[in-house]
Amino acid sequence: DQQVKQNSPSLSVQEGRISILNCDYTNSMFDYFLWYKKYPAEGPTFLISISSIKDKNEDGRFTVFLNKSAKHLSLHIVPSQPGDSAVYFCAARDQKTSYDKVIFGPGTSLSVIP
Amino acid sequence: EAGVTQFPSHSVIEKGQTVTLRCDPISGHDNLYWYRRVMGKEIKFLLHFVKESKQDESGMPNNRFLAERTGGTYSTLKVQPAELEDSGVYFCASSWTEDTEAFFGQGTRLTVV
Repeated sequence: DQQVKQNSPSLSVQEGRISILNCDYTNSMFDYFLWYKKYPAEGPTFLISISSIKDKNEDGRFTVFLNKSAKHLSLHIVPSQPGDSAVYFCAARDQKTSYDKVIFGPGTSLSVIP
Repeated sequence: EAGVTQFPSHSVIEKGQTVTLRCDPISGHDNLYWYRRVMGKEIKFLLHFVKESKQDESGMPNNRFLAERTGGTYSTLKVQPAELEDSGVYFCASSWTEDTEAFFGQGTRLTVV
């Protein structure tokens, strides 16, 4: 049973518009959440994270929102750029455990259309 | 600074053969992780080294998989004998501590035919 779910396998967005990638989790012990970005033939790279003590974290064009009661988080990219086209993985962990306990979602492939 | 590097980038082998994947972590990173992504699904944890010791190998699918990290530097992941379901992308990652985010290599795409 997947503990981290990304129900949209793919998403297409026009350049300049907002991209919203969603993620749901089931384990209430998760208290730290990460987003990774992956280009073809490359490994995932860390993008942004959020602790459960916050409900929003912003870094430039990227903002992550966390709704603990709904066990839902989302990544907003605004404005979207063609270079943002990649697979985005949501990941979660319990901060009391080590990094190897990070659980990844299946990923959402984002295409930003020029 | 060199990132995490993995060799080879692609490998196609026949069922029953042996394949060895190699990972060179970022210099100085004691923590090294192996992950696998099968058929576009989620990235799943395989095992975690701290220096040369296996800290956690709970994600290893079966005894056909053997990971080593002699000397606490690079690591190898051997699959022997390979089965069709072993096909996927194998990622290696490394980090300074167990609590810090890990940096991933580019992955090795393994195809077993």
